[in-house]
Amino acid sequence: DSGVTQTPKHLITATGQRVTLRCSPRSGDLSVYWYQQSLDQGLQFLIQYYNGEERAKGNILERFSAQQFPDLHSELNLSSLELGDSALYFCASSTGQGEVGTAEQFFGPGTRLTVL
Amino acid sequence: GQNIDQPTEMTATEGAIVQINCTYQTSGFNGLFWYQQHAGEAPTFLSYNVLDGLEEKGRFSSFLSRSKGYSYLLLKELQMKDSASYLCAVMDSNYQLIWGAGTKLIIKP
Repeated sequence: DSGVTQTPKHLITATGQRVTLRCSPRSGDLSVYWYQQSLDQGLQFLIQYYNGEERAKGNILERFSAQQFPDLHSELNLSSLELGDSALYFCASSTGQGEVGTAEQFFGPGTRLTVL
Repeated sequence: GQNIDQPTEMTATEGAIVQINCTYQTSGFNGLFWYQQHAGEAPTFLSYNVLDGLEEKGRFSSFLSRSKGYSYLLLKELQMKDSASYLCAVMDSNYQLIWGAGTKLIIKP
């Protein structure tokens, strides 16, 4: 158990809908990262937050948005869903912003999103 | 651009040794990570190298050569449970992790 929690574990929805994925980082971790992993594909970095502020952006679509709240939990919002958005969405956390010594990322169990 | 290259798939025999290579070209370097990921599960941390040389941790070792932009993960005494994908990731000058596509390792009895 990494200490990172994600809810829900599974989500089935229809095209055009909007969903929210939730992540709680390990106690004391200030950075949260979101990743998308489609079937048999590598990890695609979406976005990183550090202590409430957006720190880095990867291949995140405009239909997707995220935020980190004062209690450090984070939410990833996916809207106007398409079939191709079906994937595993992982949240990870780390102690710092990524500097040496604080960079190890601990991953949550993921949310499996199925868009029908 | 930034690039991480790993073989897509490798096969090895239970009890044997396997070496998974990773080459990288990134904007700066602040360390290299190896993660293990079983199918449908979250990646888990295996090793971190920031200086040249070999780091040994039980049956797993990781090597880094910064001048060559090269690392490998060495797995000894392979067990069936080692069947998984192995992900190489490099931290660039902005402290962002650049991920490779992963190497799927298949262990045969």
